[in-house]
Amino acid sequence: EVQLVQSGAEVKKPGESLRISCQGSGYNFGSYWIAWVRQMPGQGLEWMGIIYPGDSDTRYSPSFQGQVTISADRSTSTAFLQWSSLRASDTAMYFCARQSTLTAKMGYWGQGTLVTVSS
Amino acid sequence: DIVMTQSPDSLAVSLGERATINCKSSQSVLNSSRSKDYFAWYQQKPGQPPKLLINWASTRESGVPDRFSGSGSGTDFTLTISSLQAEDVAVYYCQQYYSIPTFGQGTKVELK
Repeated sequence: EVQLVQSGAEVKKPGESLRISCQGSGYNFGSYWIAWVRQMPGQGLEWMGIIYPGDSDTRYSPSFQGQVTISADRSTSTAFLQWSSLRASDTAMYFCARQSTLTAKMGYWGQGTLVTVSS
Repeated sequence: DIVMTQSPDSLAVSLGERATINCKSSQSVLNSSRSKDYFAWYQQKPGQPPKLLINWASTRESGVPDRFSGSGSGTDFTLTISSLQAEDVAVYYCQQYYSIPTFGQGTKVELK
């Protein structure tokens, strides 16, 4: 059974750094892309970027380029989403999702990680 | 970016009645060489991640009830729930994956 399990909720202050994770199981982690999707409170879905763990090929939406860093560790079947300096506007639910190719459906999703940034 | 615009933003439907959601893309998402529309519909219930319902504009995912159907091509698409059930109350999103994926703003389906 394919599963994506995300790390738990985080509460941070503005300016702090953060890395959240998404661990895949039940499939060859290195053979599928992992995308990250943001959902701000009460809002819709925004595709942030994607990584292919097989070779770490990473692409970003222009809206998120330079704002976050996506990485992956094949040895632990885990993808990461990282911020170096959080802002209040980063408060959101973040989902990871699996894609078979760059242009493909998101058939499997993690449960989401709620990030709250507040002073 | 390809902009996806859904209509309506919300609709209230009685149990057993039909619900229709439309989605328009700012440019065609049809890959002519493959004859496939790079387009999907998702359902999201409160506190849950989105769930893929329909892929390639009209292909239902395994386990999705056949009351859900997708149609359209190019720039105009429709999701139809033929007979609304209580468990269908949710927000529905369209998505294109022809280029950098983008989603519609969502349509909230409620019971009348």
